[in-house]
Amino acid sequence: EAQVTQNPRYLITVTGKKLTVTCSQNMNHEYMSWYRQDPGLGLRQIYYSMNVEVTDKGDVPEGYKVSRKEKRNFPLILESPSPNQTSLYFCASHRSGGVNTEAFFGQGTRLTVV
Amino acid sequence: AQKITQTQPGMFVQEKEAVTLDCTYDTSDQSYGLFWYKQPSSGEMIFLIYQGSYDEQNATEGRYSLNFQKARKSANLVISASQLGDSAMYFCAMRGSYNFNKFYFGSGTKLNVKP
Repeated sequence: EAQVTQNPRYLITVTGKKLTVTCSQNMNHEYMSWYRQDPGLGLRQIYYSMNVEVTDKGDVPEGYKVSRKEKRNFPLILESPSPNQTSLYFCASHRSGGVNTEAFFGQGTRLTVV
Repeated sequence: AQKITQTQPGMFVQEKEAVTLDCTYDTSDQSYGLFWYKQPSSGEMIFLIYQGSYDEQNATEGRYSLNFQKARKSANLVISASQLGDSAMYFCAMRGSYNFNKFYFGSGTKLNVKP
């Protein structure tokens, strides 16, 4: 089954404690992205990757890091989480080229930073 | 600049009736794609329907159709014969030819279907 898998689904952490949210896709997609969803703002892109070892900032990259060492994996790292990073996070993947391919999303990770 | 606007934060519809969720967009790209996603209370994002900027026919997928008016830059989602399971948040999104890596999302519309 084609899917994007994120872990964990729920996470409560304290300010400053480093955390990693994992993301893996089994569709051999070149493009992967991280989004955060906040009420009234929709989804905003944090970082994206066009292929292995190729990553770039999205609209709201501050406080986040990513890496793409393998095509299937794209972890999101919060080195020193702060309460304003409390949000619902989505990993997404899609094929390259053209505008007609939809994004496949993970189940979401609900992060609370206290 | 690319932008998606959804002006209806919340809507109610009676079960079995049709409902239209509004979406307008702004882009300078000649080629672009428009997408609708459904987000139930469980949180996952479910792809519903796609419309390409060069498609002459409105897209349809089962009970979902997309009312695409290119000159007005609108891409409204029409759900026919609403069901209780249609209660969810709905997001309109766009992907342009200038920047393939990114989907631009609207702020969403929360649809409640009343029995």
